[in-house]
Amino acid sequence: AQSVTQLGSHVSVSEGALVLLRCNYSSSVPPYLFWYVQYPNQGLQLLLKYTSAATLVKGINGFEAEFKKSETSFHLTKPSAHMSDAAEYFCAVSELSNTGKLIFGQGTTLQVKP
Amino acid sequence: NAGVMQNPRHLVRRRGQEARLRCSPMKGHSHVYWYRQLPEEGLKFMVYLQKENIIDESGMPKERFSAEFPKEGPSILRIQQVVRGDSAAYFCASSPLTGTANTGELFFGEGSRLTVL
Repeated sequence: AQSVTQLGSHVSVSEGALVLLRCNYSSSVPPYLFWYVQYPNQGLQLLLKYTSAATLVKGINGFEAEFKKSETSFHLTKPSAHMSDAAEYFCAVSELSNTGKLIFGQGTTLQVKP
Repeated sequence: NAGVMQNPRHLVRRRGQEARLRCSPMKGHSHVYWYRQLPEEGLKFMVYLQKENIIDESGMPKERFSAEFPKEGPSILRIQQVVRGDSAAYFCASSPLTGTANTGELFFGEGSRLTVL
């Protein structure tokens, strides 16, 4: 069965600092991986996705993630945090070969301090 | 607005009442997924439906919860005899199709937040 683990339920950075949100996955088949962002009282918005093409994936709002098969990781980074990046971030893996449902991690709340 | 539409956005029910949550998928999408988000937790898969068919209900509680996606109209998640533990945000997502042509992205609505008093 596929699963996702996000290390750190809360991450706090200063404005302008590097953002690093960690995600490790478990999958018996080549995975499709996703990062979603959720702002307070809103739905989920796709940040970026890995679908077996380039291992370094660029997304919206300056975020990117690198797929590392040897480490079973898909960490999300952004060089310089903005106040508007404060939100909850979810990593997910797709059961594409089965029902297409996404399996989500527990989420990481990003706080950006001025 | 061509996005996934959910209503109501907020719903308050007393214990023992019924809650009905509706979801209209994006235009052209025939696959609907329901997820539940409990406070301080991630999203848990509940059910996956296609038109007139429940494909995967492995995440649905065995009792009181049901879902449908009729030929016409929105998908409905129904919770009978609600209890306080049902208080959560319920998200609907849609997808155009499954299979090798699908990159797996799900498009989410803004959620329905159920509060049980």
